[in-house]
Amino acid sequence: GAGVSQSPRYKVAKRGQDVALRCDPISGHVSLFWYQQALGQGPEFLTYFQNEAQLDKSGLPSDRFFAERPEGSVSTLKIQRTQQEDSAVYLCASSQQEQVGVAQYFGPGTRLTVL
Amino acid sequence: AQSVTQPDIHITVSEGASLELRCNYSYGATPYLFWYVQSPGQGLQLLLKYFSGDTLVQGIKGFEAEFKRSQSSFNLRKPSVHWSDAAEYFCAVGQTGGFKTIFGAGTRLFVKA
Repeated sequence: GAGVSQSPRYKVAKRGQDVALRCDPISGHVSLFWYQQALGQGPEFLTYFQNEAQLDKSGLPSDRFFAERPEGSVSTLKIQRTQQEDSAVYLCASSQQEQVGVAQYFGPGTRLTVL
Repeated sequence: AQSVTQPDIHITVSEGASLELRCNYSYGATPYLFWYVQSPGQGLQLLLKYFSGDTLVQGIKGFEAEFKRSQSSFNLRKPSVHWSDAAEYFCAVGQTGGFKTIFGAGTRLFVKA
């Protein structure tokens, strides 16, 4: 079956622009995660959805970052007024269970470059 | 606070040699522990996981890891490395009572012929 897909794979934005990053999780997966991975670093947690409910958004770095999953499947991570420090790879992951710490299936990521 | 430390930024091993990647964690309770591998242009792939029970866990691609509570470690091992194992390896701990997975900074593995 299909894995987690993300689009676009690459995005170049001018500073101040808004961007939207899409994640299509594995069908039927309850949990969806967003991570930010800076160059040379491990992924850092941004936010977590259980179906359509955003249960943890403690990792979002500022109020310019917003995520949604309105129907409990596809999710969008939106970044408003992008800044250079937002340049990173944004990873989406899904898992079929609700339990904490369950292994996750990752998408290939969206590489965002802010000029 | 939870944390994961991977002391080695990069490691080089010869093809056919054994491998051990180190991981230390800081967590108050029995953690959920994971090793993921990331190849260039690829998403992270789960190698193995530990939740409870036998402290030696087997994973895919011939990898294994051993949970040592006394040392707060979860080192990844492989008896004979293949050139295709060259990648970045991440150790991670799952947060009980929450939803976060905390990743280490990664260890990049280089394999020489």
